[in-house]
This record gives sequence, C-alpha cells and structure tokens, in this order.
Amino acid sequence: QQQVKQSPQSLIVQKGGISIINCAYENTAFDYFPWYQQFPGKGPALLIAIRPDVSEKKEGRFTISFNKSAKQFSLHIMDSQPGDSATYFCAASIGAGNNRKLIWGLGTSLAVNP
Amino acid sequence: EPEVTQTPSHQVTQMGQEVILRCVPISNHLYFYWYRQILGQKVEFLVSFYNNEISEKSEIFDDQFSVERPDGSNFTLKIRSTKLEDSAMYFCASSERGKQFFGPGTRLTVL
Repeated sequence: QQQVKQSPQSLIVQKGGISIINCAYENTAFDYFPWYQQFPGKGPALLIAIRPDVSEKKEGRFTISFNKSAKQFSLHIMDSQPGDSATYFCAASIGAGNNRKLIWGLGTSLAVNP
Repeated sequence: EPEVTQTPSHQVTQMGQEVILRCVPISNHLYFYWYRQILGQKVEFLVSFYNNEISEKSEIFDDQFSVERPDGSNFTLKIRSTKLEDSAMYFCASSERGKQFFGPGTRLTVL
C-alpha cells in the first residue's frame, strides 16, 4: 500500500506553542521520510528528514519522531512562530540509491497566531 | 544558493492543445523529477529521469506525456493534447544524494 496518511488537515497554534503533525504509512519498504514546508506561491522546501534506523532527529526547533513498529512519524515544531505559518507535507521515499520517488501526505496548513 | 527554476509560472491553454513546461534543475544534479498537484489534492509523482532516460513513471504518465533534456540545462515536460483534468500545479525537482529540491511550480489551467 503506497499511501502516506497525514493529520491534522489544519492546525492553529499560539506563538510559542508546540505544533505537532502526524503521518502514518503502510509500506515497510519506505526507507527515507522527509518533511517539506511550502509557503504560498513557492515550491515545497525540504525541512528535515529521517531514516528508519533512528527514532528521533532534531534540527533547531524542528524534530522528527519516528516509530518504526507503529509505522508512524511526526513533526514537532517547538516555540512556534508566525513565520512558521505554512503548509507542511510529510513524504516517504522508495527507490534505489539516489533515484527516489516521493509519496506524499495530503498536507497540513499551519497557522501560528501572534 | 542554487535553486530549481520553472517557466512559465502560469500557463493557460485550450483543451487539446500541446503545452511544454520548462525547468532548469540545479546544475550539478543528475536526477530529475516531475510531480503534479491538483488543487486540494496530494502531490503526485509523475516521472523520474536519469542519464537521458526515464527511470520510473507513474500510471498518470501516459502516452500524452513526455519528458526531455534537450540541452545541458533544461528539463521539459510536454503534454501532447491537454485535457481539463490536466489542470494542476506542476513541480519540477532535482536531487543530490537522495534529497529532492523543488522549483516554484507552473500552474497549468486547461479551458
């Protein structure tokens, strides 16, 4: 099953709060899980990514938590800022070496209130 | 910082017409992709391209679609005879070490 399910569809958080976006997948062949951030009128930009051999990856205020047994992963945005307001996509990658197609979640529209 | 560029930003065409969407990938990248996003729906993989040939294509990428790298810098997506349902945002991406970098997209509107 080549699907990635993402929730919630939209999220409103107060400035300084924690934003949490969840994704789940079925295909255990997926071996790379990136998160993309997209602002209106722009293409998706790679934010942070994880491989299934680690349970957590942190870059600044952004953390991915990965649960291989549950086939779930989530993005946590600490100290959320109005500038973080964007659409966030999780994805899962499958393929050999550098040639990989991305299977995308539906996206989460995040609004951070000042 | 190098980036993927796409032209035009918006293309309006009549049903049945041919369109060519253009992309300039990041210069040292070797893998190229097209994705599309119909309004309100998921981003969908169309095709990947490496070493001047298609590596993989989705079921969406039928005989009406083709890709080409006509020179050392451009990567194009051609839709031969557009349909209403081809209206979408089309994103080009190029990758290095598995990380894909996306262009700003071309919004295709088929009337």
